[in-house]
Amino acid sequence: IAGITQAPTSQILAAGRRMTLRCTQDMRHNAMYWYRQDLGLGLRLIHYSNTAGTTGKGEVPDGYSVSRANTDDFPLTLASAVPSQTSVYFCASSDSPGQGTDTQYFGPGTRLTVL
Amino acid sequence: GQNIDQPTEMTATEGAIVQINCTYQTSGFNGLFWYQQHAGEAPTFLSYNVLDGLEEKGRFSSFLSRSKGYSYLLLKELQMKDSASYLCAVGDSNYQLIWGAGTKLIIKP
Repeated sequence: IAGITQAPTSQILAAGRRMTLRCTQDMRHNAMYWYRQDLGLGLRLIHYSNTAGTTGKGEVPDGYSVSRANTDDFPLTLASAVPSQTSVYFCASSDSPGQGTDTQYFGPGTRLTVL
Repeated sequence: GQNIDQPTEMTATEGAIVQINCTYQTSGFNGLFWYQQHAGEAPTFLSYNVLDGLEEKGRFSSFLSRSKGYSYLLLKELQMKDSASYLCAVGDSNYQLIWGAGTKLIIKP
């Protein structure tokens, strides 16, 4: 069982380019999340999905979009990358959102540099 | 606003005990989590408190006081592999996690 996988591991991207970060989980978790982690700041929620077919905005959603076509996959798209989106991006999942706060399990992360 | 405060960095000696504090102000409270994150890796779950008191799990214990908006993580018999960042996170009224910036723990031999 792999848990959560993310791709790519790292990427250098020119400003203005479109980029999709991939996230796949095999734990059949209902909820999935995208965070960014920047030095000196806590993890900040970008978007989340409580169940397949639904998505919601987190704390820092601008410039990002997500989709949740099925339980396993939750891609994050940067439509037109800007240097301020340089960060480490973590995908996470949890079993039962909205019924107490469930433990989140994290993928290995994608390190993105926008030049 | 919502706020989680933790010390930025702490140093301790191998074999000793260290306490990492976390104070929070959030809209609602639905549990407090501690995660460990080694450099360049993903956060991994350590502990969860939803009621006041101490939860013990091996060398690690976590304490919660909801009335004080306060938690601590206690690490005993420190090992070099405990060198990592420790993240405090609180579930808010929407069951979303609000994260502290993390405490970098440096263990010296």
